[in-house]
Amino acid sequence: KAGVTQTPRYLIKTRGQQVTLSCSPISGHRSVSWYQQTPGQGLQFLFEYFSETQRNKGNFPGRFSGRQFSNSRSEMNVSTLELGDSALYLCASSLLGGPSTDTQYFGPGTRLTVL
Amino acid sequence: AQSVTQLGSHVSVSEGALVLLRCNYSSSVPPYLFWYVQYPNQGLQLLLKYTTGATLVKGINGFEAEFKKSETSFHLTKPSAHMSDAAEYFCAVSDRGAVYGSGNTGKLIFGQGTTLQVKP
Repeated sequence: KAGVTQTPRYLIKTRGQQVTLSCSPISGHRSVSWYQQTPGQGLQFLFEYFSETQRNKGNFPGRFSGRQFSNSRSEMNVSTLELGDSALYLCASSLLGGPSTDTQYFGPGTRLTVL
Repeated sequence: AQSVTQLGSHVSVSEGALVLLRCNYSSSVPPYLFWYVQYPNQGLQLLLKYTTGATLVKGINGFEAEFKKSETSFHLTKPSAHMSDAAEYFCAVSDRGAVYGSGNTGKLIFGQGTTLQVKP
């Protein structure tokens, strides 16, 4: 079974631009979560989608948004990029999102650099 | 609010020596507990998790962890380090109260990570 895939793997943008990152979950998984990883803040939860609905949200500004499609693929968008948005963005998928029974499988991440 | 503290941002051991990575959590109720490993330029891989039952949990690659409620700890150990164990390790918690649709699903709270160096 194919793992979680994220595209693109690397991205360079300039301040003020917007960016869209894509995540394809493992086949059959309906929950997709997004995390931001930076050296200073570590791994922080952005949001989780299940059946095309945002079910949980972390403490990030409204510039960070996401969506999920009917095939469970998910995208996240960051508008008006800031230097501090430079990070590794990780996507994780699980069957239903319940932590006791499900395991979150992580993709390799998208490395975003904002200049 | 839940939180996770990993003691020691860098741990160095010799090949063949015991590996001990420390993790303490703060939670109003015992949470679900996880250890993940991250190799350079890769995503996170689950090593093991504790949900209920036996407090000593065995994971992949010879790692194990013990849930100690009285100490609010979930330390990761491996009897004999291998060069291939060099990586960054993350302890994480998830709300035990999280059920489908509760609003806490799909959220892991991570510690700051511990980089394990294995010396030949």
